[in-house]
This record gives sequence, structure tokens and C-alpha cells, in this order.
Amino acid sequence: DSGVTQTPKHLITATGQRVTLRCSPRSGDLSVYWYQQSLDQGLQFLIQYYNGEERAKGNILERFSAQQFPDLHSELNLSSLELGDSALYFCASSVGVAERGEQFFGPGTRLTVL
Amino acid sequence: AQKVTQAQTEISVVEKEDVTLDCVYETRDTTYYLFWYKQPPSGELVFLIRRNSFDEQNEISGRYSWNFQKSTSSFNFTITASQVVDSAVYFCALIRDDKIIFGKGTRLHILP
Repeated sequence: DSGVTQTPKHLITATGQRVTLRCSPRSGDLSVYWYQQSLDQGLQFLIQYYNGEERAKGNILERFSAQQFPDLHSELNLSSLELGDSALYFCASSVGVAERGEQFFGPGTRLTVL
Repeated sequence: AQKVTQAQTEISVVEKEDVTLDCVYETRDTTYYLFWYKQPPSGELVFLIRRNSFDEQNEISGRYSWNFQKSTSSFNFTITASQVVDSAVYFCALIRDDKIIFGKGTRLHILP
């Protein structure tokens, strides 16, 4: 158990809908990262927050947005969903910034868009 | 542009054999960090090792060892005396300025 929690574990929705994925980092970790894992794209970094501020952006679509709240939990919002958004979404956390330390990954949220 | 290539998509070896997973990276930066992660069938990603670009010392941790060679831009991972529990997908990653690039992963099957 990494100490990172993600809810829900599974999510099934329809095209055009909007969903919110939630992540609670390990106690004491200030950085939260979001990743998307799909068969065709592999594991892709989406976005990182550090202590409430956006720190780095990867291949995140404009239809996706994220935020980190004062209690350090984070939410990833996916809107106008398409079939291709079906994937496993991971959240990870670390004490500092990405370069410096290992990241602890949550179990992931499997999103299925029908 | 930064890139990580794991040319071996899938490898199968018999238990107790040694196996090396290749990772080749591209970056123009002189300061960067390399990581290896393991994703077992359960799905969670598990951190294995971090190496910065200034530290070319090879590392050994139990049955795992890593060979970092800047001259060939490679950061290869060797499992000695493999075990069935080593069966997983292994990812190599490059980090610079908080931008994280993963390789496509190598799926490793250890056959009993």
C-alpha cells in the first residue's frame, strides 16, 4: 500500500459526459501528479501540482483540468468525454518535486467511456 | 526533444535465468534524472530506482542491478536469477524540469 488513495476505482460513463477523479496524497507529500495509461498511448504524464500551484504540464487535453486543494487532495476533471479517453488514470505523490524523489502511485481509476 | 525508448516490447525467460531490460534515452540537457518503475499484474506502479545524470556509478540492490552509461545514453536494468514474482511491466522514465517522459514499457514473463 503506497498511501495514495484514489476514488472511484472504476467509472463507466457515456460520451459527452463529465467526470471527476479524486486523489489523496500520502501524508506529508506536497506534490501530486496525474497520469493516463492507455494501450495505444502508453503511460503519459498529464499534470503536476505542488502545494496548491500548478507546476508542470504534460500532454493534458484542454477538455481536462485539475486542481489541488488546500488540504492537498487533488481532483482531475474530464469533460466532453470521448471513447478515446477510456484509460487507467493514476495519481502519484511525492514529498518534493519530480526530479528529487520517488513518486508513490495510487491504485488508479479505470475509466470506461461507452 | 526528449525521448525514452524501450525497444523490447515483451520478453519471456525461464525462472532463474538472468534478464536485461534495455532503456535508451534522448535529451539535450546535461542535468536530468532517470527512473525505473515496475507495474505488476495488480496494476500499481512501484518505484525501483532513481539516478541523476552526474552519477554514473552502477547500482546493485539484491537481485536487481542498473547500468547507466552516458556515452551510449542507456540505463539498462538487469534481474539476476529471475523469479516468477518478477513478472511485470517495467517502465523507464526521464525527468527534466518536472516533465516526465515514460518509455512504452517492457512486459517481462518469468516462466516457472
